[in-house]
Amino acid sequence: DGGITQSPKYLFRKEGQNVTLSCEQNLNHDAMYWYRQDPGQGLRLIYYSQIVNDFQKGDIAEGYSVSREKKESFPLTVTSAQKNPTAFYLCASRPRDEGKNIQYFGAGTRLSVL
Amino acid sequence: DAKTTQPTSMDCAEGRAANLPCNHSTISGNEYVYWYRQIHSQGPQYIIHGLKNNETNEMASLIITEDRKSSTLILPHATLRDTAVYYCIVKTGANNLFFGTGTRLTVIP
Repeated sequence: DGGITQSPKYLFRKEGQNVTLSCEQNLNHDAMYWYRQDPGQGLRLIYYSQIVNDFQKGDIAEGYSVSREKKESFPLTVTSAQKNPTAFYLCASRPRDEGKNIQYFGAGTRLSVL
Repeated sequence: DAKTTQPTSMDCAEGRAANLPCNHSTISGNEYVYWYRQIHSQGPQYIIHGLKNNETNEMASLIITEDRKSSTLILPHATLRDTAVYYCIVKTGANNLFFGTGTRLTVIP
């Protein structure tokens, strides 16, 4: 069953703690993305990666870090420097297909601060 | 990327066609129009995209005006499961998509 798997579904962070959100895809897609969504708002891009071992900052990268060591995996770490981490985090992937931008999304991780 | 304008919310009776408009008056010749939707607390789902011609797939139809300054997404027979936020995105190239606040469609029984 192909798709994008995000885990955990819910995550709680303590003050000063780093937490890592998992995103795995078995679609053989080259590009992967992390978005943040706040209540009633659209999605904002945090980081994206178009190829293994390479990634680029999006619009709101401060306080976040990523890695792309494998094609299938693009984990996001929310660091203690992110002062307002409570949000819905969405991971997406896209196949290599020039001129088209069809992204496939996971079910999301909801992060809250204790 | 061209800016898009969508109504904040719309209602549609179950079984009727839902017509969701989008204005993109500054669209350039090589920019595609994409539609996604997001059901509450889930990830967005791709629906359809087009460049110049009208498009249809198993989910919806996309009607793009001849001058390409606006488009309409049509769900031919709306069901309660179509209640969602619908995003119209105009984009060139293959980098990130910009999701604004979209149109909240409520299908009423």
